[in-house]
Amino acid sequence: DAGVTQSPTHLIKTRGQQVTLRCSPKSGHDTVSWYQQALGQGPQFIFQYYEEEERQRGNFPDRFSGHQFPNYSSELNVNALLLGDSALYLCASSLAGGSLNEQFFGPGTRLTVL
Amino acid sequence: GNSVTQMEGPVTLSEEAFLTINCTYTATGYPSLFWYVQYPGEGLQLLLKATKADDKGSNKGFEATYRKETTSFHLEKGSVQVSDSAVYFCALYKAAGNKLTFGGGTRVLVKP
Repeated sequence: DAGVTQSPTHLIKTRGQQVTLRCSPKSGHDTVSWYQQALGQGPQFIFQYYEEEERQRGNFPDRFSGHQFPNYSSELNVNALLLGDSALYLCASSLAGGSLNEQFFGPGTRLTVL
Repeated sequence: GNSVTQMEGPVTLSEEAFLTINCTYTATGYPSLFWYVQYPGEGLQLLLKATKADDKGSNKGFEATYRKETTSFHLEKGSVQVSDSAVYFCALYKAAGNKLTFGGGTRVLVKP
């Protein structure tokens, strides 16, 4: 049973560029959440997708957008990259209505903005 | 809003020492509480959880008890190993917000 997978593992971009990160949820899960983890800090919730729609959103600007596909996989897009966007981006999957909405995390994508 | 506060690290211990990581939270109602662990270069792994007051979560020798009266969920392990070296995150979940709120993390280094 494959867990949550993310791609790419690492990414280097320059300021002003755009980036797309990808996530495949754990088998049987239908909900995907994205978190940003800056160096030395705890993860911060970006948004959550369910039934191909954004269901919840944290305190992140509109430069951060996402998408969920019919197979439940998801993308995170960040436009007009800033140096401060450098972080580990974590994807977590869960089953809507499941016990505690327990979230399973992927290994993350490390984004570096130069 | 909801928040989680953890003791700052790093915490440096010798093998077989006793580990405690303090965690307190602020939230209305009755959130669910979690401890996650992050090993170097990896994502987060759920370590243990508790869903209601006085519940004790346990896994791999780690324990934490949900204390509603002190809004705390301290993590403990009686005898740590070098392999326990990692960053530990306390988190809370409320169904209304449908998201996890994390503390800042505590780095633990266990020396042989």
